[in-house]
Amino acid sequence: EAQVTQNPRYLITVTGKKLTVTCSQNMNHEYMSWYRQDPGLGLRQIYYSMNVEVTDKGDVPEGYKVSRKEKRNFPLILESPSPNQTSLYFCASSLLPGQPQHFGDGTRLSIL
Amino acid sequence: AQRVTQPEKLLSVFKGAPVELKCNYSYSGSPELFWYVQYSRQRLQLLLRHISRESIKGFTADLNKGETSFHLKKPFAQEEDSAMYYCALRWRAGNNRKLIWGLGTSLAVNP
Repeated sequence: EAQVTQNPRYLITVTGKKLTVTCSQNMNHEYMSWYRQDPGLGLRQIYYSMNVEVTDKGDVPEGYKVSRKEKRNFPLILESPSPNQTSLYFCASSLLPGQPQHFGDGTRLSIL
Repeated sequence: AQRVTQPEKLLSVFKGAPVELKCNYSYSGSPELFWYVQYSRQRLQLLLRHISRESIKGFTADLNKGETSFHLKKPFAQEEDSAMYYCALRWRAGNNRKLIWGLGTSLAVNP
């Protein structure tokens, strides 16, 4: 089954404790992206990746890092999480940039 | 600058009533537009795209280049249509293509 898998689904942690949210897709998609979804602000893109080893900042990259060492995986790294990063995070992938995206189920992060 | 505007944050209608979710865009090139839907506690999923000109779950959307709009319509709303709806614009940025999103409209269909 074609899917985008995010882990964990839920995480409550404390300020400053490094965390990684994994994202994996099994569709051999070139393009992957991370979004955060906040009430009243809609979907905002954090980072995206056109291909392996090619990553670019989205609209709200501050406080986040990503890596794309292999095509299927695109982890989101919060080196020193802060409360303003409490949000619902979605990973998405598509065969090519701008094409309809497949989304993961979301990861709800709470930073205390 | 490219922009997608969904002017209504919340739209509430009664079951069986027509519904129109508005989407306006700003882009000087040739746009590609999409509607995504997110049902409660589910992932975002593509509802329809303008180039396919299809009807999905009774919804249609017509690209109006003159009015720069891509409104989503359904003649008779159902309770199961209650969801968050996002309009998205695909545009060319140099040699790359990008997607930008509207802020979303929450549709509530009341019995």
